[in-house]
Amino acid sequence: KQEVTQIPAALSVPEGENLVLNCSFTDSAIYNLQWFRQDPGKGLTSLLLIQSSQREQTSGRLNASLDKSSGRSTLYIAASQPGDSATYLCAVVRQGGKLIFGQGTELSVKP
Amino acid sequence: NAGVTQTPKFRILKIGQSMTLQCTQDMNHNYMYWYRQDPGMGLKLIYYSVGAGITDKGEVPNGYNVSRSTTEDFPLRLELAAPSQTSVYFCASTQLHRDRGTDTQYFGPGTRLTVL
Repeated sequence: KQEVTQIPAALSVPEGENLVLNCSFTDSAIYNLQWFRQDPGKGLTSLLLIQSSQREQTSGRLNASLDKSSGRSTLYIAASQPGDSATYLCAVVRQGGKLIFGQGTELSVKP
Repeated sequence: NAGVTQTPKFRILKIGQSMTLQCTQDMNHNYMYWYRQDPGMGLKLIYYSVGAGITDKGEVPNGYNVSRSTTEDFPLRLELAAPSQTSVYFCASTQLHRDRGTDTQYFGPGTRLTVL
């Protein structure tokens, strides 16, 4: 059974710091991997989708990597800002587009 | 485009009542999904649909039913509501491409349901 784990569960950093969020999964038979952002009381916003054949994707200050063989993905956030404060969720994409989610990392960026 | 819309935003039910959560997408996506999110947890898949008239169970389908009569709509039905169904419910959609699998999955704003 596929399990997705995110470490750490919570993270607090000062503004301007570069940071890495980790996601690991137990079954490497995935189609894609997707990173989301969730603000309190809100829905999910897609940040990056990495196809299984890709090793990384970049969007602005965000860079996500994928290593299927080791069952790991990382989300790198450069020059963090208070507006980046949110919960970040990773999800592996299985056949049929079904998502298996981690429990999320709650990020707080202090001014 | 409105994307994925859900109604209602909030609802309180008594034990044993029934209700339907509505979900509509205007992106002509073929795949649609229902997830639930319990406090402090990730999302779990309830049901999904790969096209009009085709639905299948996810991880946690017990106590729920779905139908997909059109491409746009994917309602979720709760029969005999129980306190364990207190959760936030999210609808999502995506498009399957033959050459690269499914695209980014887009989520609605959620329905917050409390069963007392």
